[in-house]
Amino acid sequence: QKEVEQNSGPLSVPEGAIASLNCTYSDRGSQSFFWYRQYSGKSPELIMSIYSNGDKEDGRFTAQLNKASQYVSLLIRDSQPSDSATYLCAVTNAGGTSYGKLTFGQGTILTVHP
Amino acid sequence: EPEVTQTPSHQVTQMGQEVILRCVPISNHLYFYWYRQILGQKVEFLVSFYNNEISEKSEIFDDQFSVERPDGSNFTLKIRSTKLEDSAMYFCASSEWAGGRNEQFFGPGTRLTVL
Repeated sequence: QKEVEQNSGPLSVPEGAIASLNCTYSDRGSQSFFWYRQYSGKSPELIMSIYSNGDKEDGRFTAQLNKASQYVSLLIRDSQPSDSATYLCAVTNAGGTSYGKLTFGQGTILTVHP
Repeated sequence: EPEVTQTPSHQVTQMGQEVILRCVPISNHLYFYWYRQILGQKVEFLVSFYNNEISEKSEIFDDQFSVERPDGSNFTLKIRSTKLEDSAMYFCASSEWAGGRNEQFFGPGTRLTVL
């Protein structure tokens, strides 16, 4: 069973702080990695994608990938109350044995308090 | 900005009835997916669809499920005989999958309630 694991939280940070979200995956063939944000009762919204080892920055978000450790993380700088949501890590072996099937973690609930 | 749309937003049905959930993927996307999320649980893959055929399906996607692209814009998920445990949010997603990058964009979902 190919698994994606996340700390379910809740993770609580003060406004303006850095939130750090972590994810591990079991399938060494995974090639593409994504972070989605899901507000309560809403659909997953893609916020970051990362395909190679290292860091990728987009505004206040930084994704980090370490394939050797099978680890991907998301940092949110200058956290805002509007960042309060569940963050979903998703991986795929797209282009390998998969046609793009995303395997999701259970999500980490982030609360940013003023 | 183009987006995936889904109808209806909420569907209530009796156990044993057939339901059809509809999706309009982003227009230049070629890869289509259905996922579901039971309340409080993970998002789960159901099926992927490319070039008018199923390319991959999960063990959840048994004979009671089917997908179809009846025209150039719609993508449907049919559940033939609904069960109580089919109650969930159903999300459609689509992807362009260009240059090895398979970013999937999700629709707003259909909440299916089976009574």
